[in-house]
Amino acid sequence: SAVISQKPSRDICQRGTSLTIQCQVDSQVTMMFWYRQQPGQSLTLIATANQGSEATYESGFVIDKFPISRPNLTFSTLTVSNMSPEDSSIYLCSVEAPGQGFQNIQYFGAGTRLSVL
Amino acid sequence: AQSVTQLDSHVSVSEGTPVLLRCNYSSSYSPSLFWYVQHPNKGLQLLLKYTSAATLVKGINGFEAEFKKSETSFHLTKPSAHMSDAAEYFCVVSDPGGSYIPTFGRGTSLIVHP
Repeated sequence: SAVISQKPSRDICQRGTSLTIQCQVDSQVTMMFWYRQQPGQSLTLIATANQGSEATYESGFVIDKFPISRPNLTFSTLTVSNMSPEDSSIYLCSVEAPGQGFQNIQYFGAGTRLSVL
Repeated sequence: AQSVTQLDSHVSVSEGTPVLLRCNYSSSYSPSLFWYVQHPNKGLQLLLKYTSAATLVKGINGFEAEFKKSETSFHLTKPSAHMSDAAEYFCVVSDPGGSYIPTFGRGTSLIVHP
């Protein structure tokens, strides 16, 4: 299993500023994922972050807007840059780790609820 | 390619009555399928998963789901709803033989009336 701590849990930010979200895992994991959940919507994958390499971004997401760091196997950050009200969402950190049996499953942090004014 | 469709955006039941949340999937490979629950202001919690073992999967809190390949379905059920079951439920598909990245359904909001 994996326990994920995500900070901050929520924030209210001004347009044009940036916010960095931290994700800490209680065990070493190879892959970490960042998702966005817009109001009333499902989860959309932003990027996959492996330690020691640049993050891989999904279509519609770019590094300049959502820079990601992955300095070690237990930690990652996602920055939401030059924010606008459209960035108001829940941002979730996720890792893939062993579950019961031999299958990996995804574990999620509690999310960061971001409101941009 | 993989996709998942949750057929209902909202399901409303009375406490003590059965719950049915519907999910259909498409996948090029033998998929892994999951149901996650998200309570208000909380992260996602895994309810149950199917990974090519028994087709009837039992999860936490009395939930279970049946994998039906012929119908490409993985519906979530519970015999008797409890008020604490009110939450958002996500069906998720992952192709172990293709992209490992899971695809989430749009979610079904379960409303439980007293």
